[in-house]
Amino acid sequence: AQSVTQLDSHVSVSEGTPVLLRCNYSSSYSPSLFWYVQHPNKGLQLLLKYTSAATLVKGINGFEAEFKKSETSFHLTKPSAHMSDAAEYFCVVSDLQTGANNLFFGTGTRLTVIP
Amino acid sequence: GAVVSQHPSWVICKSGTSVKIECRSLDFQATTMFWYRQFPKQSLMLMATSNEGSKATYEQGVEKDKFLINHASLTLSTLTVTSAHPEDSSFYICSAVKYGTSGIKFSYNEQFFGPGTRLTVL
Repeated sequence: AQSVTQLDSHVSVSEGTPVLLRCNYSSSYSPSLFWYVQHPNKGLQLLLKYTSAATLVKGINGFEAEFKKSETSFHLTKPSAHMSDAAEYFCVVSDLQTGANNLFFGTGTRLTVIP
Repeated sequence: GAVVSQHPSWVICKSGTSVKIECRSLDFQATTMFWYRQFPKQSLMLMATSNEGSKATYEQGVEKDKFLINHASLTLSTLTVTSAHPEDSSFYICSAVKYGTSGIKFSYNEQFFGPGTRLTVL
């Protein structure tokens, strides 16, 4: 079974400081992992994805995430927060090996950026 | 590209009426689409898997007679909320699967999400 746990429901950072959004996953097989961002009343936008290639994944808007199998983690980071980064972030897991299309969403982390 | 659209973006209806929401993959064909619902400040919950040319597969607890899904073509899936009630008010999001290949061993698929439809039932 697949699941993700987003450890923080709300993260608040000052503009220009680093961002860390934490995610731990559980998967029976080799997982495929994603981070999506959702701005208010907007659809989900893919930030980055891990699909068994390089463990450090670079995404859009300066975000990156590192797949750590030993820690079953896939934390999202950004060196310097911008005001436009304020949004809801979802960590998502899928299962490649079974061929399943199903995505399993975390409960989300709301990022607030303080000017 | 991989663009998914939804129509309408928002709808308000009276209790007891039916509402149809369309999900279209604009620049790729999608044999599989998904329908999610999202309550305020909550995560996305999968409602059903829509497969072109066959019956949809519903998640446990989702009433198939209330949420009718039709995937009549490779670019269109529709969700009809029948006899809507205020508790059906939610943000409905669809996604379409675009297949790709990564590496030798695995093929991966990626879901592209529509912008969502906000349904309010009075």
